[in-house]
Amino acid sequence: TQLLEQSPQFLSIQEGENLTVYCNSSSVFSSLQWYRQEPGEGPVLLVTVVTGGEVKKLKRLTFQFGDARKDSSLHITAAQPGDTGLYLCAGEQAAGNKLTFGGGTRVLVKP
Amino acid sequence: NAGVTQTPKFQVLKTGQSMTLQCAQDMNHEYMSWYRQDPGMGLRLIHYSVGAGITDQGEVPNGYNVSRSTTEDFPLRLLSAAPSQTSVYFCASSQDRGTYEQYFGPGTRLTVT
Repeated sequence: TQLLEQSPQFLSIQEGENLTVYCNSSSVFSSLQWYRQEPGEGPVLLVTVVTGGEVKKLKRLTFQFGDARKDSSLHITAAQPGDTGLYLCAGEQAAGNKLTFGGGTRVLVKP
Repeated sequence: NAGVTQTPKFQVLKTGQSMTLQCAQDMNHEYMSWYRQDPGMGLRLIHYSVGAGITDQGEVPNGYNVSRSTTEDFPLRLLSAAPSQTSVYFCASSQDRGTYEQYFGPGTRLTVT
C-alpha cells in the first residue's frame, strides 16, 4: 500500500469534458506538489500547495489541499488533448528532505 | 542552461553486470536525487544528496550506490544488475530542500536480462 493513493488510475474523456483526480493519504503532509509527465520525459511541476484548505488555479486547472492536509484534488475544466499525460502528486512529511509520490493517474483526452 | 542531463538514454545489461548512470545539472542546485519509475508505482526515491559530499538513502536504496563529489554531478552505480532493477531512472535537482520544485532529467530506460 502506497502512502499516497491516487484515483482513478486511468481516465479517458472527450475534449471539453471536466475531470477530477484525487490524491489521498492517512498521513499529514506539510506540502503537496502536482506534476505532469509526458511520454519519454521527466515530470514537470504544476503547483505546490502548503496550507490546509488552499485552492490554487492555473488556467483551467484547479488544485485543492484538504483542510487536514491529508488529501488533494486536481480538477480540469473543459479538458483539451494537450492535457493528456500522467499526473502525479507528491507530498512532503514534516520538514524533511524527501518527497513521496503517488502511483499516478493517466489522463487521455480524445479530440 | 541545459538543466538536468542524464546519460545514457537507453541501456541493456545482463544480470551481474555493473554500470553507472550519469546525471549532471548546471543550475547550481544543492539538492539532487535519484528515482525509479515502475508502472503504477509512481516514482520511488533511491538516494538523495543535500550537497557535495553528503548522501543519504531513500525508499529503495538496495543494489544502488551514489557519491557526490561536486555540486554538478550525481552518478548512480549499479554494482551487480538484477532483473528487478529493470525500470526507468530519473535524476532530479532542486534549489535547496528536497521539497522545492524538482527539476527532472529526461530519464534512462534500463533493461536487465
